[in-house]
Amino acid sequence: GENVEQHPSTLSVQEGDSAVIKCTYSDSASNYFPWYKQELGKRPQLIIDIRSNVGEKKDQRIAVTLNKTAKHFSLHITETQPEDSAVYFCAASESNTGKLIFGQGTTLQVKP
Amino acid sequence: DGGITQSPKYLFRKEGQNVTLSCEQNLNHDAMYWYRQDPGQGLRLIYYSQIVNDFQKGDIAEGYSVSREKKESFPLTVTSAQKNPTAFYLCASKGRGPSDTQYFGPGTRLTVL
Repeated sequence: GENVEQHPSTLSVQEGDSAVIKCTYSDSASNYFPWYKQELGKRPQLIIDIRSNVGEKKDQRIAVTLNKTAKHFSLHITETQPEDSAVYFCAASESNTGKLIFGQGTTLQVKP
Repeated sequence: DGGITQSPKYLFRKEGQNVTLSCEQNLNHDAMYWYRQDPGQGLRLIYYSQIVNDFQKGDIAEGYSVSREKKESFPLTVTSAQKNPTAFYLCASKGRGPSDTQYFGPGTRLTVL
């Protein structure tokens, strides 16, 4: 089955700096990679996703890159703001079941 | 996300009692999932169902049971066999396609007294 590793587990940046979170996956047939943001006490919410037919996708200050050869994908947040502080989860779809396999999560703290 | 509801938001249970958490979706999604989240931890899959009247164990199914009698409903029962049930429980649903978006419900916070 699929296995997803996420790094780092915690990340602290100054407001305005960039933040990068990286994930690796094991199932070479996986073709869907979403990223979720979870604020304290709330549900995870999808912020961006990428499918295997593209290498990069951007949405304002957020971008995701995918390297299928190396089996890793990354979340990039530019010009970070205090409201970006949250836990971020990456995931990969398991090719034989379609269910999402989640990384362990990254706690991002943006200092004002 | 508004298409998935969970109830109750907070639930208190005495040791030795079974309790059922509700999850309903009106998104016409085939697949539904239950996750457990402990403080400061990630999402652990309890059970999932990809079609009505069928479900599979996830990574931590012991002490839990589910049913899927209707497409829109996937209730989770936390039994007395679950030794440490205090946690945040999240339900999710998605369409049948492998790249369909998965949406989460608002969660139920269960506390065992």
